[in-house]
Amino acid sequence: SAVISQKPSRDICQRGTSLTIQCQVDSQVTMMFWYRQQPGQSLTLIATANQGSEATYESGFVIDKFPISRPNLTFSTLTVSNMSPEDSSIYLCSVDLAGGNNEQFFGPGTRLTVL
Amino acid sequence: GQQVMQIPQYQHVQEGEDFTTYCNSSTTLSNIQWYKQRPGGHPVFLIQLVKSGEVKKQKRLTFQFGEAKKNSSLHITATQTTDVGTYFCAGPGGSYIPTFGRGTSLIVHP
Repeated sequence: SAVISQKPSRDICQRGTSLTIQCQVDSQVTMMFWYRQQPGQSLTLIATANQGSEATYESGFVIDKFPISRPNLTFSTLTVSNMSPEDSSIYLCSVDLAGGNNEQFFGPGTRLTVL
Repeated sequence: GQQVMQIPQYQHVQEGEDFTTYCNSSTTLSNIQWYKQRPGGHPVFLIQLVKSGEVKKQKRLTFQFGEAKKNSSLHITATQTTDVGTYFCAGPGGSYIPTFGRGTSLIVHP
């Protein structure tokens, strides 16, 4: 299993500002992901955070809006840039320990409210 | 990635009643996963099914994978208030990342 922590757990931000969310895993993992979950909705994959290279973004998500860093195999950050109220959501990081299409372990999430 | 459709979206039950959520795909799935998310919490992995016709049990939870590997179900016997939450199925997607269904929210009335 994996233990994942996220910071901050929640935040209230003003429109036009940016917020960086941190994700820390207690072991080295190859596959780390960032999801968004809007209230009452399913999980939408934003991107795969790749160690040592640019993140791989899903359709509808771009690097300028959601820059991601992955400096090592235990840590990643997601920045939500130039925020608007539509960005209010829960942001979750997750890891797959077994290399793909296997059990995912999720962090506790960051609840973001944009005013 | 492959799309998985999940029904119902919501289910209200009286404590002690049974509950079932269904997951369907138009294409054959190599595997299917189930997760539970408690209110205010994060998704937690429950199980993965791989074999055609597979049935697995976890206490009061029974998971089935269809013979054609295009559908799956999660059945809870005699629900308890601790079963409250949203249950997601997830099918294999592109780039080896599961694609989540929309989830079924279970509300248990005491």
